[in-house]
Amino acid sequence: DAKTTQPPSMDCAEGRAANLPCNHSTISGNEYVYWYRQIHSQGPQYIIHGLKNNETNEMASLIITEDRKSSTLILPHATLRDTAVYYCIVRGINTGGFKTIFGAGTRLFVKA
Amino acid sequence: GAVVSQHPSWVICKSGTSVKIECRSLDFQATTMFWYRQFPKQSLMLMATSNEGSKATYEQGVEKDKFLINHASLTLSTLTVTSAHPEDSSFYICSAVRGQGVDEQFFGPGTRLTVL
Repeated sequence: DAKTTQPPSMDCAEGRAANLPCNHSTISGNEYVYWYRQIHSQGPQYIIHGLKNNETNEMASLIITEDRKSSTLILPHATLRDTAVYYCIVRGINTGGFKTIFGAGTRLFVKA
Repeated sequence: GAVVSQHPSWVICKSGTSVKIECRSLDFQATTMFWYRQFPKQSLMLMATSNEGSKATYEQGVEKDKFLINHASLTLSTLTVTSAHPEDSSFYICSAVRGQGVDEQFFGPGTRLTVL
């Protein structure tokens, strides 16, 4: 799987948008970008995924650059409960494609 | 989304004993399950891939005789930590794959193992 690069930590004020960047310059054509988050002492939680178009769901928006070499996860109105480690993952869908390799992620601190 | 459970949620055992952790997909059949280990303040490390009815595939550096994986049915995979030692103390997380959709991988809540 392609590797991703994320900043180790970020702060965000409660109620403001949190923009989490991810670089995945070696992504291949059939690989999707996934975002998960892990709240302390819990299993990872799926947030969103995309191939090349921007995506939005009830949790977040995903903006993927035209060359697909980077993406940004946007939490539009961060709350204290969004404090977690956010993982950006690139993964294919062929046989074995669900093998998810986690990088270090970004530790997001949402402050009151 | 679908639900994946783990049992127990936490366990404390003495050094030298074996501990079994269960991972269940509650409302779907899982063709593949994965086992991860996570040490404090570190990311998840993939240990092995478990396919129903076949032997697990272990990642490099993971001892297959130490971490026994059994995927006896489409809804249950077990991880047994044999002859546990304090350095095996960790947070163990499983994930289960449903079908072939791009978003159909679900993670369990994790099991915290403490070996005294």
